[in-house]
Amino acid sequence: QKEVEQDPGPLSVPEGAIVSLNCTYSNSAFQYFMWYRQYSRKGPELLMYTYSSGNKEDGRFTAQVDKSSKYISLFIRDSQPSDSATYLCAMSVQAGTALIFGKGTTLSVSS
Amino acid sequence: EPEVTQTPSHQVTQMGQEVILRCVPISNHLYFYWYRQILGQKVEFLVSFYNNEISEKSEIFDDQFSVERPDGSNFTLKIRSTKLEDSAMYFCASSKGQGGYGYTFGSGTRLTVV
Repeated sequence: QKEVEQDPGPLSVPEGAIVSLNCTYSNSAFQYFMWYRQYSRKGPELLMYTYSSGNKEDGRFTAQVDKSSKYISLFIRDSQPSDSATYLCAMSVQAGTALIFGKGTTLSVSS
Repeated sequence: EPEVTQTPSHQVTQMGQEVILRCVPISNHLYFYWYRQILGQKVEFLVSFYNNEISEKSEIFDDQFSVERPDGSNFTLKIRSTKLEDSAMYFCASSKGQGGYGYTFGSGTRLTVV
């Protein structure tokens, strides 16, 4: 079983839609969960950082972690064409240790 | 906003040659990392560096790879004898570590081995 699974998409939505992106994982030791946005041939850009279970909101973005189900989500409200990118989930066991990434979901928002 | 800076942005090298990829992490960060991403595949962890030594490395990081922090600002990845399969984007990252902060990535070096 792969350690972090993420549906690669592609996911296409109209401008203004609510987008839901998800990852599942197998290692119950993961405690730190992140979402990154990556544009083609660029480095990952940190969007959200969460420790343990719960919700975190930042503007149009909400991250949710459900450790009991080993499932994390990123919601994007009022999606914009500029949100078109690949979204990567990543997680680590301890702060500062190796990040394990999902394969990324490619999102396209049309105007 | 503080950035992780990587040079060069693109490097082409012949198989068997040595390459050095360079990074300047964020100045008050304590942990430094190298990751790579082969085209179309996941971002993969290579190595982490803390307190002037390797703190963690993956199976990918074999004897052909080495890392160094030659001074207070630079962090380098050396690949001793490049192979075709080393062609990838190489990302440097840094983090504060303890205290629960995210990891900041550089824009990457695209390494092409011919």
